[in-house]
Order: sequence, then C-alpha cells, then structure tokens
Amino acid sequence: EVQLVESGGGLIMPGGSLRLSCVASGFTFSNTYMSWVRQAPGEGLEWVGRTRTKADGGTIEYAAPVKGRFTISRDDSKNTLYLQMDSLKTEDTAVYYCTTYSHSPYYYLGLWGRGTLVTVSS
Amino acid sequence: DIQMTQSPSSLSASVGDRVTITCRASQSIRSYLNWYQQKPGKAPQLLIYSTFNVQSGVPSRFSGSGSGTDFTLTISSLQPEDFANYYCQQSKDFPLTFGGGTKVEIK
Repeated sequence: EVQLVESGGGLIMPGGSLRLSCVASGFTFSNTYMSWVRQAPGEGLEWVGRTRTKADGGTIEYAAPVKGRFTISRDDSKNTLYLQMDSLKTEDTAVYYCTTYSHSPYYYLGLWGRGTLVTVSS
Repeated sequence: DIQMTQSPSSLSASVGDRVTITCRASQSIRSYLNWYQQKPGKAPQLLIYSTFNVQSGVPSRFSGSGSGTDFTLTISSLQPEDFANYYCQQSKDFPLTFGGGTKVEIK
C-alpha cells in the first residue's frame, strides 16, 4: 500500500526539541522529493520545507518561520523522512504532515500522511 | 513571497448546486496552481494540479481553470461528500504558499 506514516509528535515546552519521522511505503522513496506541511489548530495550511532526492543534489528549502530552527533530512535506506525541530515556540503548535512533492513537469504535494500533532506549551 | 487569496472564505450550498471557488495570486504563477480538499480531522488530498489536471480517482464533477493570477475551482453538481475545506496552492516559487481556504457547508 502506498502510504506515509508520521510519528514523534507530542507535548513539548517552549525552547525544547523534537524529531518527527515519516516512514514511506509502496513507492521508491529514494527517487521522491519530500516535503513537510503544518496546520495550526483551526487554521490553514503552511508549507514548512522540501528536500530533493540525493541524486538531484539533496537540496533543501525552508519556510522563513522555521529556517535556522528546523532541519529536514532523509534516510533512504530506511525509507524515512525526518524533521528535527529545535528552539520550539508556541506558534509551532500544529499538526505536521509529511507529503511527497511531485516535480517536473508538474509540481504538487501528491501523497499526504495522516499527520502528527506537536503541541508547544508550558 | 507569492500571496494567495481565496474567495469566498465560506459558502453554503445545496446538494446538486454548481459551486465556484476563486483563487488569486499576488503575481503571475502561470499555470502552477493546485487545489486540495480537506475533510474534518483528515489530511488534505490533492484534487487538481497545474490548474486543470484532475488527480486520478477524483470525480469528474471537479474541474479547474485559469492562468496567470486568477484561478477557479468548480464543482459542477455538489454531492454530500464534497462538504469540506478547499485550499489553493502555488508551486511556481518557494516558499510554496496556500490560500486561506474555503469552507463549503450544507445549506
């Protein structure tokens, strides 16, 4: 079955760190660009970042609110995407979704995981 | 950053109605416009990519049009399972940005 399954969310204090994981199955993960998108409670969607494949240089783009605090990485041997979140703020509270990112010739967020909730609160 | 503005933010419609949602970009994004549907408590799902390409498995009552800065998502005959939130998203430039969403409710 083609799917993405996120894990690692939870309650964390401001200033803390958390690492999210996303395990992919049913497709060739190493050939797939990947992205993270988040959604604060009751709010809209916000793109967090995107990683290319290693074959395409592994370049990573980040949204301004998380740049310098969040790090996206991938382990193709484990079919897993990660989101390391440091210096967390209350405004980082959201459901975090892992997605595939289709590119060339069409660019879109194709497959989405169910999401994992991160709550930053004291 | 490219700003995406959706309208209306919410609408009430009846089963069988034709529904139109618009999305405007702050600058030209050519055809790099995608639409997603999100039902309560669920992850978003891709409906339409690159303005008018309907994702596999999506009913044909969904269609998209537009180019440049103005885009439209149309549901030709609203069905009970279509009551949800809809988001547009541009993929011309990073950061990827989304519209604020349109909530389609039952009248």
